[in-house]
Amino acid sequence: GAGVSQSPSNKVTEKGKDVELRCDPISGHTALYWYRQSLGQGLEFLIYFQGNSAPDKSGLPSDRFSAERTGGSVSTLTIQRTQQEDSAVYLCASSLAGEETQYFGPGTRLLVL
Amino acid sequence: RKEVEQDPGPFNVPEGATVAFNCTYSNSASQSFFWYRQDCRKEPKLLMSVYSSGNEDGRFTAQLNRASQYISLLIRDSKLSDSATYLCVVILDTGRRALTFGSGTRLQVQP
Repeated sequence: GAGVSQSPSNKVTEKGKDVELRCDPISGHTALYWYRQSLGQGLEFLIYFQGNSAPDKSGLPSDRFSAERTGGSVSTLTIQRTQQEDSAVYLCASSLAGEETQYFGPGTRLLVL
Repeated sequence: RKEVEQDPGPFNVPEGATVAFNCTYSNSASQSFFWYRQDCRKEPKLLMSVYSSGNEDGRFTAQLNRASQYISLLIRDSKLSDSATYLCVVILDTGRRALTFGSGTRLQVQP
């Protein structure tokens, strides 16, 4: 079956521009997570959505980062006024409610020049 | 101190060798434990969950020691295809279930 998909796969932008990254979770998965993997760093949690509950934004590094999830399915991560330190691979994962196994998408590689 | 610590390696081993990776976690309230595998420029994929009783999946054996806050992964009869980065992962919060990752241990199996 279809896995988690993300778009774009690669994004190059100039410092100061806004970017939007998209995630399509596995159908029926109510939990959705965003993570970031910077060069030389481990993966770090950014934000968590579960069904219609308010998202857990505790991992967002600054107020330039925001995310939304429409209709309990597709999610968009927005980074405003991008900085060079935002360059990373942004990974989305989804899971069934109550399950611990998360399935990752292929990620979006963001490069801020 | 990082919440999950791993030796970054690389571990360079010949085919057929047995290799062991270790990981320590700092939060005694950690609830669940996993090993993920990540190939170069790919997303992480679950390799196996880790239980106190130990669990085995083919050539892979994982073990958890809650008292020492220590997790291990043993790979027997290494294959070239085992070359990857192995990520030690814990869940700190059963409500949120967000994964906390170690920085990974790189394994290179050589012919």
